[in-house]
Formats: sequence, C-alpha cells, structure tokens
Amino acid sequence: QKEVEQNSGPLSVPEGAIASLNCTYSDRGSQSFFWYRQYSGKSPELIMFIYSNGDKEDGRFTAQLNKASQYVSLLIRDSQPSDSATYLCAPEGGAAGNKLTFGGGTRVLVKP
Amino acid sequence: EAQVTQNPRYLITVTGKKLTVTCSQNMNHEYMSWYRQDPGLGLRQIYYSMNVEVTDKGDVPEGYKVSRKEKRNFPLILESPSPNQTSLYFCASSLQGGYVAEAFFGQGTRLTVV
Repeated sequence: QKEVEQNSGPLSVPEGAIASLNCTYSDRGSQSFFWYRQYSGKSPELIMFIYSNGDKEDGRFTAQLNKASQYVSLLIRDSQPSDSATYLCAPEGGAAGNKLTFGGGTRVLVKP
Repeated sequence: EAQVTQNPRYLITVTGKKLTVTCSQNMNHEYMSWYRQDPGLGLRQIYYSMNVEVTDKGDVPEGYKVSRKEKRNFPLILESPSPNQTSLYFCASSLQGGYVAEAFFGQGTRLTVV
C-alpha cells in the first residue's frame, strides 16, 4: 500500500461546480496535512493546510480531515478554468518524521 | 523577494558526465530538500537537510549526492548520471521540517540524460 493515495484523474468538472478531491494516507502518526496546487510544468504551491479534525475553509477552498479514517479531502467551490491543475496531498510528521511525502496528485480539468 | 532559485532550468547531458544542480534560498530556512517528479509517480524525495552539515536520505537517494555547507545552498550532485535519472527536479525549502511548515519550491530543473 502506498503511503499516500490519490485518484490520478483527470477529474472533469463544469465551471461553477464543486470539485471534490480525496486523499488517504497510511501513517496514523501524521500530524499536518498540506494541499499543493501544481500547474503543468510549474512548481507546486501551497494552497491549504489542516491539522485538526473537521473542516477548514479558505475562500473557495475547504479542506476536510478525518484522522480516524486517515482521510483528507479538498473541495473547490465555484470551480474556475484557472483551477485546472494537479492537486497534491502531503501528510507530514508521524513515522515519516521530516520527510514530506506527496501523493501522486489528482489532475483537475474545469470546463467552461 | 523571497525565493528558491535552481540552476540550470534545462540540462541535457550524456551518460556518466558528472553534473551539479544548484539550489539557493534567501529565506534563512533550516530545512531544504530535493525531489524528482516523473509521470505517474508523483514527487519523490531524494535527500533532505535539517540544517548545515545535516543531511539524510529520502525515498530515492541512489545515484545522487548532496551537501549543505552553508544554510542557503543545497546542491544536488549526480556523479555518474544515467538515463533513468532523466526527470524534472525540484528543490524546496521550509522554515523547519514538520509541524506546519510550508515548503517553497524552486522553478524546477528538467534534466535529460542521453
């Protein structure tokens, strides 16, 4: 089992809809969870982090964390064509210690 | 401007010819790391450094070397590159490893080994 699993996609959503991205992780000791966005050919950039169970909202983005189920998700509301990118999940801490391990990423395509 | 700078951005080299990819950050970050990104395999960590003179292996360290003689610089060295090291490489830095520390990435280096 991979340490961090994401559906590679592409996840195709119409403009204005909600995009829902999921990430499961194997290390129960993971403390913090990051979501990075990466446009094609560019470097990843941080868009959200969460470390407490529940929801965290930032603009059109909502991160949801369930440590018991080892599951973190990212919702993108009112999706825009500029949201078309690959979204990488990265748990931190736990047995991995100082290694920041990324999932394979989910590619999102927002169609006008 | 706070940034992580990698050089070169693009590099084509031949098998066995030693090369170095430089990485420099101006944010006084303690933690620096190198990743390679390949289609279908995501970002995989090669090496990381918690501070000056402290380095450790990531998930795919074979064929690579690093050094951290100064806080700002973390070069990646390929002593004898092989075609399977053709990849997109990213350097990243953060204030510290772990505990809600945002990683800042360089622009990437696209390496082709023929």
